[in-house]
Amino acid sequence: ETGVTQSPTHLIKTRGQQVTLRCSSQSGHNTVSWYQQALGQGPQFIFQYYREEENGRGNFPPRFSGLQFPNYSSELNVNALELDDSALYLCASSPGGYRYTGELFFGEGSRLTVL
Amino acid sequence: AQSVSQHNHHVILSEAASLELGCNYSYGGTVNLFWYVQYPGQHLQLLLKYFSGDPLVKGIKGFEAEFIKSKFSFNLRKPSVQWSDTAEYFCAVNGGGYQKVTFGTGTKLQVIP
Repeated sequence: ETGVTQSPTHLIKTRGQQVTLRCSSQSGHNTVSWYQQALGQGPQFIFQYYREEENGRGNFPPRFSGLQFPNYSSELNVNALELDDSALYLCASSPGGYRYTGELFFGEGSRLTVL
Repeated sequence: AQSVSQHNHHVILSEAASLELGCNYSYGGTVNLFWYVQYPGQHLQLLLKYFSGDPLVKGIKGFEAEFIKSKFSFNLRKPSVQWSDTAEYFCAVNGGGYQKVTFGTGTKLQVIP
């Protein structure tokens, strides 16, 4: 069984730039959730994708956007980067629909530093 | 809205000491509850979960947690910690079947040999 993989693992951007983070879900999982984990904080829910549609969103501005592809992999895009966007971005997959319980299977994360 | 509160931010214990980490949640309906662990350099992984039934649930590596509905609590326990338990522990709640899982701020556990 292949676990959740994320890329890149580390990246540095400057304020105002745009970034795309990628995630491959665990086999058999059709739901991908994205979380932001700032230093010293717990993960914060950004949004979830199920069957290629956004299926719930947390308190993040529209410059945070995403996609899910037919193979259930996903991208997180952040435009107009701000210093406060520096964080670990976590992707988690899970079974979706009626099988969704909130149990999340996490990848290693992508650490974004905005200078 | 759902929320989670973890009372201890940093806990230091000697090996063989007993552990209890507090977790309280706020949500008016049915909840699924989780404890996740993040070992140094590793990704977040599930330690244990509660959906329904027996309120005392057992997880990996000898951990257990008790759901007390009247107190909105889901405390994590281990009778005797090991140095390898050094990690950060997160309590999480998913209420009402919604997509969002809310995490606490985490507790860093340091076990001294």
